[in-house]
Amino acid sequence: GNSVTQMEGPVTLSEEAFLTINCTYTATGYPSLFWYVQYPGEGLQLLLKATKADDKGSNKGFEATYRKETTSFHLEKGSVQVSDSAVYFCALLGVQGAQKLVFGQGTRLTINP
Amino acid sequence: DADVTQTPRNRITKTGKRIMLECSQTKGHDRMYWYRQDPGLGLRLIYYSFDVKDINKGEISDGYSVSRQAQAKFSLSLESAIPNQTALYFCATSDATGGTYEQYFGPGTRLTVT
Repeated sequence: GNSVTQMEGPVTLSEEAFLTINCTYTATGYPSLFWYVQYPGEGLQLLLKATKADDKGSNKGFEATYRKETTSFHLEKGSVQVSDSAVYFCALLGVQGAQKLVFGQGTRLTINP
Repeated sequence: DADVTQTPRNRITKTGKRIMLECSQTKGHDRMYWYRQDPGLGLRLIYYSFDVKDINKGEISDGYSVSRQAQAKFSLSLESAIPNQTALYFCATSDATGGTYEQYFGPGTRLTVT
């Protein structure tokens, strides 16, 4: 079945540091890939997405590229801010059967000033 | 006003009690979902519904039931709550048109079973 594996957290960085959160997936065919963000006390919000191989999703300075050859969708940001502190979830939407999101376990990110 | 609302936002209940969590949406989406979030486990799908007459079990449906009262409303019930159902519960909606199936989440209900 479909699955998503994220790098384990928590991740702690200083402001303006470079961020990478790894995400790899297992799926049949060409799933759509997503990054969701959960700020403290809130629900999940879509951060970015990519629907086909080599697509790059981007939003709020974050980027992720859909790599079919490595089955990866790593999240990156060149210079993080304290306000980026949140939990980040990688997810995929399979192409077969019912369209259900499969989530990774989440990575908690803390940015220190 | 929020597009996806959940009530209550917090609830403490005792073992064996019946409890209902409610979700309403104003997005006009046909698809609705219930997830639970546990630390280190991400979100797991409990039930989902693709229209009013369609209800499907997710990966962890045991101990839960749902009702789709209208296109805009999807309720989750715990018939006899137990402590390991203590979790954060999220409702979500999506629209099948356009092919993106992006899901929109409510703010969550924090449920504690003592």
